[in-house]
Amino acid sequence: GESVGLHLPTLSVQEGDNSIINCAYSNSASDYFIWYKQESGKGPQFIIDIRSNMDKRQGQRVTVLLNKTVKHLSLQIAATQPGDSAVYFCAENSGGGADGLTFGKGTHLIIQP
Amino acid sequence: GEEVAQTPKHLVRGEGQKAKLYCAPIKGHSYVFWYQQVLKNEFKFLISFQNENVFDETGMPKERFSAKCLPNSPCSLEIQATKLEDSAVYFCASSRTRPGLNTEAFFGQGTRLTVV
Repeated sequence: GESVGLHLPTLSVQEGDNSIINCAYSNSASDYFIWYKQESGKGPQFIIDIRSNMDKRQGQRVTVLLNKTVKHLSLQIAATQPGDSAVYFCAENSGGGADGLTFGKGTHLIIQP
Repeated sequence: GEEVAQTPKHLVRGEGQKAKLYCAPIKGHSYVFWYQQVLKNEFKFLISFQNENVFDETGMPKERFSAKCLPNSPCSLEIQATKLEDSAVYFCASSRTRPGLNTEAFFGQGTRLTVV
């Protein structure tokens, strides 16, 4: 079946560097995407979202890029901080389904001091 | 409330026992979702509600799993005759509008179920 997936299970970056977390999705009907951050022992926390009619959206220190041609989503975190260490999940909503969100496998972001 | 409240935080059950998990959605949110997360991995959708009505239950193992969202009560997820493979963290989420309308879902802190 169609699903959302992530390319790397673990990403290690130096504190202060920028990080990029990637996500490939396969459902071309998906029209809404969300990035969630999950810290150990906690529930997913919303970071940023993007609609399919956009290709870029910026938040505070975070940017989401959407490439519908190759069905690719990325999360860029600028000037990473220790508090950014977490597992990051992308999720999609196919627009017509009633099952909420389809999550991909997470990427564990590790910030090295 | 302003956050999704899940209770209990941890639950340990012997194999074959019943487990019941609770979720109070954010006030004003009409949609409630239950997800199962095994080993910090991806989330498996179980069931969604629109107010007290089941919206989508395609993810539910119907033989042993059931869920309710009754008026003026927390939503609940019940597992009869638990099995070892039911061990997971169960997350509840709520949203203001229906899925597909580009709406953010807010998650609770989860209930960690351990079946021994």
